Amino acid sequence: GAGVSQTPSNKVTEKGKYVELRCDPISGHTALYWYRQSLGQGPEFLIYFQGTGAADDSGLPNDRFFAVRPEGSVSTLKIQRTERGDSAVYLCASSEATGGQTGELFFGEGSRLTVL
Amino acid sequence: AQKVTQAQTEISVVEKEDVTLDCVYETRDTTYYLFWYKQPPSGELVFLIRRNSFDEQNEISGRYSWNFQKSTSSFNFTITASQVVDSAVYFCALSEETGGFKTIFGAGTRLFVKA
Repeated sequence: GAGVSQTPSNKVTEKGKYVELRCDPISGHTALYWYRQSLGQGPEFLIYFQGTGAADDSGLPNDRFFAVRPEGSVSTLKIQRTERGDSAVYLCASSEATGGQTGELFFGEGSRLTVL
Repeated sequence: AQKVTQAQTEISVVEKEDVTLDCVYETRDTTYYLFWYKQPPSGELVFLIRRNSFDEQNEISGRYSWNFQKSTSSFNFTITASQVVDSAVYFCALSEETGGFKTIFGAGTRLFVKA
């Protein structure tokens, strides 16, 4: 498809379980972002990739959260030992901006994570 | 550190009224970008506008207009003759050079336009 694709759209899990959320960005976009959005809040920055490397992971809340982008395209956000406070919509965005410029972000529809 | 403040949590207007959404930002950089995004009830964030720090010209696009004032660190968004379809949450965002150009969002303003 032409847009940013995120799977699954909904994920319900139990406390303590491991979760993976996938993002397929727009083809050719080198920058990829993960955000977390809780109800009534703005998107909260988690991590930003430029190509395969994490350019900035300062927003990851703790070491239970990890993200990879091994081939510079698809990215996976991994959450270990999930907690109820991890419940949120996880948004992925991609951008074609590189080298000191910053362009608009194209967002996916998000993955809604519910931890019971 | 970069920061975006949207003091208005919710605004309710009647169709055809004009409405202004406020955005105040903080940055120590001279090179930065400001954005507005719209999040309709369907949930997907949609880009509206980008402005770089060296261009203070105001912009108009149809019923939308943006007022960028570096002197007050504000980037306000006005919708003229609002319509029911404008009902959404609107986010102001900032991307600064020192921060590696990661985009930080404000908390958003929920706009209700009543028929």
